Amino acid sequence: AQTVTQSQPEMSVQEAETVTLSCTYDTSENNYYLFWYKQPPSRQMILVIRQEAYKQQNATENRFSVNFQKAAKSFSLKISDSQLGDTAMYFCALDSNYQLIWGAGTKLIIKP
Amino acid sequence: KAGVTQTPRYLIKTRGQQVTLSCSPISGHRSVSWYQQTPGQGLQFLFEYFSETQRNKGNFPGRFSGRQFSNSRSEMNVSTLELGDSALYLCASSLVVPSTNEKLFFGSGTQLSVL
Repeated sequence: AQTVTQSQPEMSVQEAETVTLSCTYDTSENNYYLFWYKQPPSRQMILVIRQEAYKQQNATENRFSVNFQKAAKSFSLKISDSQLGDTAMYFCALDSNYQLIWGAGTKLIIKP
Repeated sequence: KAGVTQTPRYLIKTRGQQVTLSCSPISGHRSVSWYQQTPGQGLQFLFEYFSETQRNKGNFPGRFSGRQFSNSRSEMNVSTLELGDSALYLCASSLVVPSTNEKLFFGSGTQLSVL
């Protein structure tokens, strides 16, 4: 069975610091997609970044980048120059047979 | 362009009742999927509809059902509510194919409390 594990229930950092959120997954598929979603207090889930498993290059979106280690089944999210608006729940998700399998989430708090 | 709209935002029901939640996707989007979110468990996939047909279903009991109308609006229904059904129910839409590697656009959810 496909699983997604986020081992950090909560993290906090000072504004402008860099923070890394961890995610490990398990799948028997060879081609798949991985995602990081952000859920602010408004509850609306917002796509942060997407990685295609067959692409070796790590995805980057402005201050957000991933460290994708396919052999280790690891998919961490790095947020550089963190901002107060980055405070949110962050979810890692795996695309599997047209279903998204989600981790339990990491609550990230950016302190001023 | 309006985003994904879910109504109502909050709902309080008692055990044994039934409830219907509504989701209006972004104009032009034909795929709608539903998720249940509970604290500490992330999101669980309920079902997905594309062009009025259920294309995929998660591992939930038959008390959970849904449908999609010709205008792509979707409803989900939960019958004989149980305390454990208390959760945030999220709806997401995507442009064309019911594929999760398409970008999903989420609504703000309906928070259901069962007393």
